[in-house]
Amino acid sequence: ELKVEQNPLFLSMQEGKNYTIYCNYSTTSDRLYWYRQDPGKSLESLFVLLSNGAVKQEGRLMASLDTKARLSTLHITAAVHDLSATYFCAVDIMGTMDSNYQLIWGAGTKLIIKP
Amino acid sequence: EADIYQTPRYLVIGTGKKITLECSQTMGHDKMYWYQQDPGMELHLIHYSYGVNSTEKGDLSSESTVSRIRTEHFPLTLESARPSHTSQYLCASSARRQGAEAFFGQGTRLTVV
Repeated sequence: ELKVEQNPLFLSMQEGKNYTIYCNYSTTSDRLYWYRQDPGKSLESLFVLLSNGAVKQEGRLMASLDTKARLSTLHITAAVHDLSATYFCAVDIMGTMDSNYQLIWGAGTKLIIKP
Repeated sequence: EADIYQTPRYLVIGTGKKITLECSQTMGHDKMYWYQQDPGMELHLIHYSYGVNSTEKGDLSSESTVSRIRTEHFPLTLESARPSHTSQYLCASSARRQGAEAFFGQGTRLTVV
């Protein structure tokens, strides 16, 4: 069964702390995406990771991909309140045809950062 | 900024009504998706399309239909709305190439009373 598992599903932390969200997936893929969703809003693309060892950084967020371990991490450095949101990872699973692939989504990690 | 639009943004309707949620994108994307999402919860794929005249069912498709007559337009129809359909509906699109990220519309928040 194709599975994408995020942990933790809920995280409450203090401003200034560092933390990591994990995204494990169950089948071969070298394309993984991270999205952010604010309450009541839609999803916004954060990072696109397209190869083993890929690392992307934007501000206090850094994402990495280890395709051999089937693991991606989203690291938060010196968290600030504005980063409070739900973070989703999604994995691109290739089908038999080049265009026949689909996104499998994690359940999301709800992050609350307290001042 | 992604050019994908959903209408209406909010809708309150009575049980048994037929409704169509609209989604349009101006990016020329071949792939389009409909997701259902309760607040703060997982995304559930309802339908998706690889291009014109292509539609595929997702996990929650049994009570809705879609069409893809034009590349830019992917409407979702609920034939008979029920209170269990109360949710947020998100439309997304992506290019067909490998590694193309999906862009999301602003969503339609549906309440069935």
